[in-house]
Amino acid sequence: GAGVSQSPSNKVTEKGKDVELRCDPISGHTALYWYRQRLGQGLEFLIYFQGNSAPDKSGLPSDRFSAERTGESVSTLTIQRTQQEDSAVYLCASSLGTDPEAFFGQGTRLTVV
Amino acid sequence: DQQVKQNSPSLSVQEGRISILNCDYTNSMFDYFLWYKKYPAEGPTFLISISSIKDKNEDGRFTVFLNKSAKHLSLHIVPSQPGDSAVYFCAASAWSGGSNYKLTFGKGTLLTVNP
Repeated sequence: GAGVSQSPSNKVTEKGKDVELRCDPISGHTALYWYRQRLGQGLEFLIYFQGNSAPDKSGLPSDRFSAERTGESVSTLTIQRTQQEDSAVYLCASSLGTDPEAFFGQGTRLTVV
Repeated sequence: DQQVKQNSPSLSVQEGRISILNCDYTNSMFDYFLWYKKYPAEGPTFLISISSIKDKNEDGRFTVFLNKSAKHLSLHIVPSQPGDSAVYFCAASAWSGGSNYKLTFGKGTLLTVNP
């Protein structure tokens, strides 16, 4: 498909386990974002990748959260030792680095039980 | 420090009337503004945008107004339709060196259009 793809679409995990979320951006998009939306809340910025620049990690809520991106391709968001407050929809978006419009994936709904 | 603020968490209007969603920003470096719409269980989708060199942009039923001196923008939907019921997010970006348009989002406004 031509859009941003996220997997899995749903993930239920036990408290304390690690999870890995995947994002496949639109081909050619140099910028990639991770956001999360907790129930009843707005979009919370987590991390931003732009080309070969150092990522902007200013939104990561704790050191249990990390993200990687290889070149201009797939990104993975890893949450270690998950807590119940990590339950949220995790959204990935990508954009051309020269265009502000970002395209979002469908999100991964993470539930920590 | 919330740089993009949507102070109304929700708005309810009657079908056929105008919906006005507001957004304020604090960063004077922002030079491009976007509105996204989000339905439940879906990712946000781009709706309309405006550059800081303009004060109005129109696309069908949707118009965005920008008041740079007040650091305020608004989205007008006329006429409102029940299918417009969704969460609307305001976003802003700044040229931060090279090809870099990092987006900052507001917390969203839930619009409900009643038949």
